[in-house]
Amino acid sequence: SAVISQKPSRDICQRGTSLTIQCQVDSQVTMMFWYRQQPGQSLTLIATANQGSEATYESGFVIDKFPISRPNLTFSTLTVSNMSPEDSSIYLCSVELPGGGNQPQHFGDGTRLSIL
Amino acid sequence: DAKTTQPPSMDCAEGRAANLPCNHSTISGNEYVYWYRQIHSQGPQYIIHGLKNNETNEMASLIITEDRKSSTLILPHATLRDTAVYYCIVTLQYNQGGKLIFGQGTELSVKP
Repeated sequence: SAVISQKPSRDICQRGTSLTIQCQVDSQVTMMFWYRQQPGQSLTLIATANQGSEATYESGFVIDKFPISRPNLTFSTLTVSNMSPEDSSIYLCSVELPGGGNQPQHFGDGTRLSIL
Repeated sequence: DAKTTQPPSMDCAEGRAANLPCNHSTISGNEYVYWYRQIHSQGPQYIIHGLKNNETNEMASLIITEDRKSSTLILPHATLRDTAVYYCIVTLQYNQGGKLIFGQGTELSVKP
């Protein structure tokens, strides 16, 4: 597996502000993903972070609201822009390790975000 | 990706085997069955996955029926630390367009 570190682990933010969440992996990975888990709900895929190119967003998620960067094979950021209370969620990074197409994803412990 | 159906909750006595069922009657021939669990306040943890054959690792066993329309995750000796939400996900490999689509899962409570 891999060690996946997310920063910050939690934050409380004011509405209208933006927060950038970092995901660092201790080894090079092929794929990196970002998920959202709203209170009491299951996980929803936001986007796939592509190294060296624009992220691929799922339906209902747009780049202006959730800009993503992936400058190399071990690091990605997710920004939650112009936050509102509805953005209060846990945001999770996951990675797929090298070694073939059916490798499982491994998750970080997430960033708990509360917007006042 | 094929849809899965899991019971919303289950109980298990500590030390006994926990058998978690999953129905995936619309699974296609090249879709894998993945199991993850999420312990409170943590990210999902990968448990096991399989295509056709039964699989076993240090955490669990995965039994897939011959027609592949259902599967069972077996935790052979459940402990209190196995209390979690367990997700069964059916999907293609990522390079074939597969994605992890999480349903509501089964909330397993292991009781002393």
